Amino acid sequence: SQTIHQWPATLVQPVGSPLSLECTVEGTSNPNLYWYRQAAGRGLQLLFYSVGIGQISSEVPQNLSASRPQDRQFILSSKKLLLSDSGFYLCAWSVQGAGELFFGEGSRLTVL
Amino acid sequence: DQQVKQNSPSLSVQEGRISILNCDYTNSMFDYFLWYKKYPAEGPTFLISISSIKDKNEDGRFTVFLNKSAKHLSLHIVPSQPGDSAVYFCAASVSGTSYGKLTFGQGTILTVHP
Repeated sequence: SQTIHQWPATLVQPVGSPLSLECTVEGTSNPNLYWYRQAAGRGLQLLFYSVGIGQISSEVPQNLSASRPQDRQFILSSKKLLLSDSGFYLCAWSVQGAGELFFGEGSRLTVL
Repeated sequence: DQQVKQNSPSLSVQEGRISILNCDYTNSMFDYFLWYKKYPAEGPTFLISISSIKDKNEDGRFTVFLNKSAKHLSLHIVPSQPGDSAVYFCAASVSGTSYGKLTFGQGTILTVHP
C-alpha cells in the first residue's frame, strides 16, 4: 500500500532563518506531488505541485520554493523565513490523472 | 477571490441525527468535487467525491449531493457519531491536467454530541 511521510512534524524557527521540509511517498511511482498550507483560520492553499522530477509549478508568489530531486521526494524550502510563513504545511500525492489527494501528517511551522 | 466557500464555520449535531455540511463554488469550470475530514494536527483524509455528471454519490453513512445549476454541494452524514467530530473541507477541481489541483473551502467544524 502507499504511504506518505513528511518531517519534521513541528518546527519553531526565528525570522530570517532557513527552512527545509521533506516529504517522501512509498508504494507508488511517478506520483503527482503537492505542497499545501493551512494558515490559522483559513482553508488549504496550494503552494506548489509537481508532475515529475525537476518539474515544479508555483501557484502563488511567495517566500518559499520547492524541489523534486527524486521521483518520490518533495522538498519545501526557504532561504529566509518571514513571520507570515507560519502555518500548517501539508504534503500530498495523487495518481497521475486522478483527483483524490492523499495527505501526509503535516508539519506545524511557527516563525518567531 | 474565494472560489470555494463553506459559509458555516461550525455545526453542532446530536448523536444519531443527520449532519448536513454545505459548500458553494463560483468557478463553472469545476467538474470534480471532494470532501475531506481533518482531525487536529493531522493531514486531511479523503471521504467521498462526485463528478459533475452525477448529482448524488453514496458511501455508507456519507452522501454527497451536487446541484450544478446552483453551484452548490452538500455532505450528509446519517446517522452522526461522536467520532465524526472534525473539520470538514470541500474541494473542487477541473478534470484533465488540473485534476489534482484542488481548491479548498475554509472548512466547517462539526461537533457531534453524545
